[in-house]
Amino acid sequence: AQSVAQPEDQVNVAEGNPLTVKCTYSVSGNPYLFWYVQYPNRGLQFLLKYITGDNLVKGSYGFEAEFNKSQTSFHLKKPSALVSDSALYFCAVRDKDSSYKLIFGSGTRLLVRP
Amino acid sequence: GAGVSQSPSNKVTEKGKDVELRCDPISGHTALYWYRQSLGQGLEFLIYFQGNSAPDKSGLPSDRFSAERTGGSVSTLTIQRTQQEDSAVYLCASSLMTLQPGKNIQYFGAGTRLSVL
Repeated sequence: AQSVAQPEDQVNVAEGNPLTVKCTYSVSGNPYLFWYVQYPNRGLQFLLKYITGDNLVKGSYGFEAEFNKSQTSFHLKKPSALVSDSALYFCAVRDKDSSYKLIFGSGTRLLVRP
Repeated sequence: GAGVSQSPSNKVTEKGKDVELRCDPISGHTALYWYRQSLGQGLEFLIYFQGNSAPDKSGLPSDRFSAERTGGSVSTLTIQRTQQEDSAVYLCASSLMTLQPGKNIQYFGAGTRLSVL
């Protein structure tokens, strides 16, 4: 079965330090992968995607993600965290049996302390 | 519009009542999706519209849930005889309809928080 796992419910990091939010996936063939961020009382905002090409994908707000096929991972990273990055982050993979359905992970709450 | 708009932002209802949730997608987006986000859970796909038709209703949890879309634009999700377990945030998303996966990005509204007492 296709799935996405975000193994950490919460990630804590100090402002200015690098951050990583982990995501692993299980899908046959080449995956289409996405990261979204959700701020309080807001909808999900698209951050970045991996479709094909370079394994390092750059997105909004200074975030990037590294696709690793051998480890079936798509970890979200940022070199220097900001307090304003504190939010809920969702990893998603496109359902291989449809051209549209997204399968989401359970989300990881990022808390950046001043 | 500039983004996906959902209304109401919050809805409190009594068990057994019917509710309607509205979604106004981004102009020009022919694809529309409803998801449910329950407390502590990820997002659960409910239904997908292409234009006014819904080729995939596989995520609707019961026959109390229905949705329609008119004019290829606004969509309404209706929950009949609401139950406490229906309490969740209902999110709507829209996208261009294209077979190019890189262009088929789903953009989400802020959601409707439904509380069933």
